[in-house]
Amino acid sequence: QKEVEQDPGPLSVPEGAIVSLNCTYSNSAFQYFMWYRQYSRKGPELLMYTYSSGNKEDGRFTAQVDKSSKYISLFIRDSQPSDSATYLCAMLNSNYQLIWGAGTKLIIKP
Amino acid sequence: DAGVTQSPTHLIKTRGQQVTLRCSPKSGHDTVSWYQQALGQGPQFIFQYYEEEERQRGNFPDRFSGHQFPNYSSELNVNALLLGDSALYLCASSTLTLGANVLTFGAGSRLTVL
Repeated sequence: QKEVEQDPGPLSVPEGAIVSLNCTYSNSAFQYFMWYRQYSRKGPELLMYTYSSGNKEDGRFTAQVDKSSKYISLFIRDSQPSDSATYLCAMLNSNYQLIWGAGTKLIIKP
Repeated sequence: DAGVTQSPTHLIKTRGQQVTLRCSPKSGHDTVSWYQQALGQGPQFIFQYYEEEERQRGNFPDRFSGHQFPNYSSELNVNALLLGDSALYLCASSTLTLGANVLTFGAGSRLTVL
């Protein structure tokens, strides 16, 4: 079993919809939780990071961490075609190494 | 402000050959990490360099080696290439003051091994 599980998708939604992207993990020692966005032929770009449990909002993006369920989410409001990309969750282990999910491919249809 | 630059962007090698990939970190960053990303997978940590020394290493064989230069740029070397080494190789830079979780990635070097 992988330490971080993420549905690879693709997830296809109409423009303007609310998108929910999720990851589950098995290591209860993870404290930092990140979401990266990766466009085709580009490297990952950090969107948001959250320490421990709770919510964090940045514009149209909201990150949620539920440590009791070992479950993290990224919500995108008013989704745009430019949001079409692969979204990767990542978590920092006790050796300060990032452990990544496989990424979810998101397609926003105009 | 240039971000992380990597070269070459694409390259094709045959099994058994050796390859060197290069990375220049973002201005102000002193730590370089290398990742391997297979198609449809998340990045896998190879190693990290700080102050010209390998500080951390992931689960990769000794065929993978690296170097960091005094100007913080870095190289990734892979010897005795295998078909399974075909992947996107990503370089990420950071600085301790920002934290290990705040990485800036380059666009990657796509390696194809035939």
